[in-house]
Amino acid sequence: DVKVTQSSRYLVKRTGEKVFLECVQDMDHENMFWYRQDPGLGLRLIYFSYDVKMKEKGDIPEGYSVSREKKERFSLILESASTNQTSMYLCASSSLAGGSSYEQYFGPGTRLTVT
Amino acid sequence: AQRVTQPEKLLSVFKGAPVELKCNYSYSGSPELFWYVQYSRQRLQLLLRHISRESIKGFTADLNKGETSFHLKKPFAQEEDSAMYYCALSPRFSGGYNKLIFGAGTRLAVHP
Repeated sequence: DVKVTQSSRYLVKRTGEKVFLECVQDMDHENMFWYRQDPGLGLRLIYFSYDVKMKEKGDIPEGYSVSREKKERFSLILESASTNQTSMYLCASSSLAGGSSYEQYFGPGTRLTVT
Repeated sequence: AQRVTQPEKLLSVFKGAPVELKCNYSYSGSPELFWYVQYSRQRLQLLLRHISRESIKGFTADLNKGETSFHLKKPFAQEEDSAMYYCALSPRFSGGYNKLIFGAGTRLAVHP
């Protein structure tokens, strides 16, 4: 079974703090993704990575950065947290597509509250 | 622009009634389409993909390219089907990254 784990289920941070969200997958997947999930908006892609040290912006990268130093680990960084970044953050991983889309496996999510 | 629209935020039905969760997409090429489901306190998971043409937990979905739709159907809803359902689109040959574009989601509530 694919396992995608996220470092925290719940996190409360203050405005202006630097926040690190960690994601680890154990299936040697090449692709990893960070989404935020908001009611009425669905899932929106923040960043994704298709290889170690490689990253691509998603649809809403502003205010976020990412790091992928090892294949199994993908970190999302909020440089200076703001209240509008209060959300559920989901990490996902998948195999390299090669012309067809493979299933994305999701972590349990981190509910971040910025006060 | 690539977009997935799920027009209903909430769909409420009684047990045994037919269910249809609507999904429309906007994409100029030939997409791959998926339904993902999130049950209460569980992680988001794949329910089915159009390319497999399979029925999962009694659900089916047919890709209608003319109407650009991929509606999810089940003839007889069960209480355990209550969940959040997301339709998602992946552009074909998207460079191997298999990015997904999600709709806003529809919450299905099945009442006894």
